[in-house]
Amino acid sequence: DSGVTQTPKHLITATGQRVTLRCSPRSGDLSVYWYQQSLDQGLQFLIQYYNGEERAKGNILERFSAQQFPDLHSELNLSSLELGDSALYFCASSEGQGPSNYGYTFGSGTRLTVV
Amino acid sequence: DQQVKQNSPSLSVQEGRISILNCDYTNSMFDYFLWYKKYPAEGPTFLISISSIKDKNEDGRFTVFLNKSAKHLSLHIVPSQPGDSAVYFCAASGRNSGNTPLVFGKGTRLSVIA
Repeated sequence: DSGVTQTPKHLITATGQRVTLRCSPRSGDLSVYWYQQSLDQGLQFLIQYYNGEERAKGNILERFSAQQFPDLHSELNLSSLELGDSALYFCASSEGQGPSNYGYTFGSGTRLTVV
Repeated sequence: DQQVKQNSPSLSVQEGRISILNCDYTNSMFDYFLWYKKYPAEGPTFLISISSIKDKNEDGRFTVFLNKSAKHLSLHIVPSQPGDSAVYFCAASGRNSGNTPLVFGKGTRLSVIA
């Protein structure tokens, strides 16, 4: 157990729908990162929050949004879902604003299937 | 434009031999590099890292080499074991450039054959 908790582990939904993925960072970590891994693709950085504030933004679609709450857990909202949004979504955390000497700690991911 | 490239999608090695996984990067601002290992149905886990002020870092059977002039790093696993079979991701960050988020390659699937 890495200490980063992601729920749900699996999600199947229809095109056009909206889903929310949840992440609880490792205890003591203030940064949360969201990554997307599509088929045959590496991990694509979506967005980072640090202590409740958005810190960095990557290739995140306008249909996607995220937030980090006062208890430091984060949610990634995906709306108007398309077939191409099917992917593994990973959450990671770190203590500071950037990677530690050990990088980030990753959760086990949420597998989203859009049908 | 891919800033971190792992050009070999897969690699097969016999147990006991050396595994060499390669990674190239394009962004000169990257100054910290990491290798992650990923098993199916699990998240990536940290394996080894190297700062740009070094050219080699060793941890047990794992050694990472960095060639800054060529913008190339490699991970050596000696000796390779069946339990090393996994997908390996190379990642890079600009820690002295505002702590940029980790940029990952597409991964190399290593199969160690007994």
